[in-house]
Order: sequence, then structure tokens, then C-alpha cells
Amino acid sequence: EDQVTQSPEALRLQEGESSSLNCSYTVSGLRGLFWYRQDPGKGPEFLFTLYSAGEEKEKERLKATLTKKESFLHITAPKPEDSATYLCAVQAYSGAGSYQLTFGKGTKLSVIP
Amino acid sequence: DAGITQSPRHKVTETGTPVTLRCHQTENHRYMYWYRQDPGHGLRLIHYSYGVKDTDKGEVSDGYSVSRSKTEDFLLTLESATSSQTSVYFCAISESANYGYTFGSGTRLTVV
Repeated sequence: EDQVTQSPEALRLQEGESSSLNCSYTVSGLRGLFWYRQDPGKGPEFLFTLYSAGEEKEKERLKATLTKKESFLHITAPKPEDSATYLCAVQAYSGAGSYQLTFGKGTKLSVIP
Repeated sequence: DAGITQSPRHKVTETGTPVTLRCHQTENHRYMYWYRQDPGHGLRLIHYSYGVKDTDKGEVSDGYSVSRSKTEDFLLTLESATSSQTSVYFCAISESANYGYTFGSGTRLTVV
């Protein structure tokens, strides 16, 4: 059974205080690892897809990295508008030509001015 | 969200009544998904569709049925709503089987 564990569950940072969120996973046949951002009352918004160990992607203050067992979302000099819940999901083949996403429970990030 | 609309946005219904949630897309994507999101559980897949009239079960499909008669519409039906089905329901679309998903804004369903 595919499993995705995110840590910490919640993180409070001062504005400008850099940190990292962790996503560890066990999956057979990883096709890709996805990061999403979710604001209260809204649907998840796509951030990154990583496909192979060693891959990195960046967007503004965010950088995602991938190893064979985990992914990190690094947040550099965060601002209050970065406050949100960050979701990690792994995609694996589920049969009949279909791939499915299995989500972690998320990390709720609060950035204090 | 651009290209994907869920309706209604909020609904309160009584236990035992049937409920249908609608997901409409204008992207002509082949794949459509229904998820529910609950505190402590994260997003869990209910059903998905890989084409018109082609659907399959997800992780938490009991008590739910789906239909897809047109590319653009994917309906989720609760035949007889129960309090355990109180949740936020998200629809997602994907262009290809191994692409990322675009999510709708969600439907908050309360079963009393």
C-alpha cells in the first residue's frame, strides 16, 4: 500500500526565517511526486512535479528536491503570503492504464510578520 | 478555478436523502477524479473516470456512485446520505494518466 507521511504537521516561522518541509513515501513504481499549496476554503494549487532522485525545481521562494525515499520543500526567507497548507502526493501506476495520486495529510505553514 | 467548476459550493442535506454533486470542465481533459478531504485524513480518492462512461473505484468508494455521459461532466451521487459523508468534496481533472491534476474549488457537504 502506498504511503505518504508529511512532517511537521504544523510549522510557525517568523518572516524571513527559512525552513524545510518533509515528505517521506513508500510506493511501488513511483511515477512522480507532486507538491500542492492549499489556501483555506480553496482547492489545492499545483506547485511542482519531480520525477527522479536528484531532481530539483524552484519557484520564487520555494525549492523542491527529491531522493529515493523523501522530498523536501525548502522555503527561503518566507513572507506572510506563503502561509498555507502544503500537500505532497505520490503518483504510481494503479492498473488499467491509470495512475493515481496518494496524498499526505499536509503541513500547515504560518509565517508571522 | 479556470476550466473546472463544481456545483453546488455548499449544501446541507438530511440523512437518507440522495445528493448529486456536479463537476464541469471546459479543458476537454480525459481524466476526472472525485476526492473527499477530512481533517486527519487528507485527500482520499472516491472514484475516477478515464473516459466517457469509463469509471473505476478509488480508496473510499462505498456509498458513492458516479456517472460520466459527456467529456465535460462528472457527477458524484450519494444514494442515501449519511453523517459520515459530511466532508469537503473536490473534483480534479488531468490531461493524461501520468500528469498532475487541476482541482476545483470544492463542495462543502453537511449531512444532518
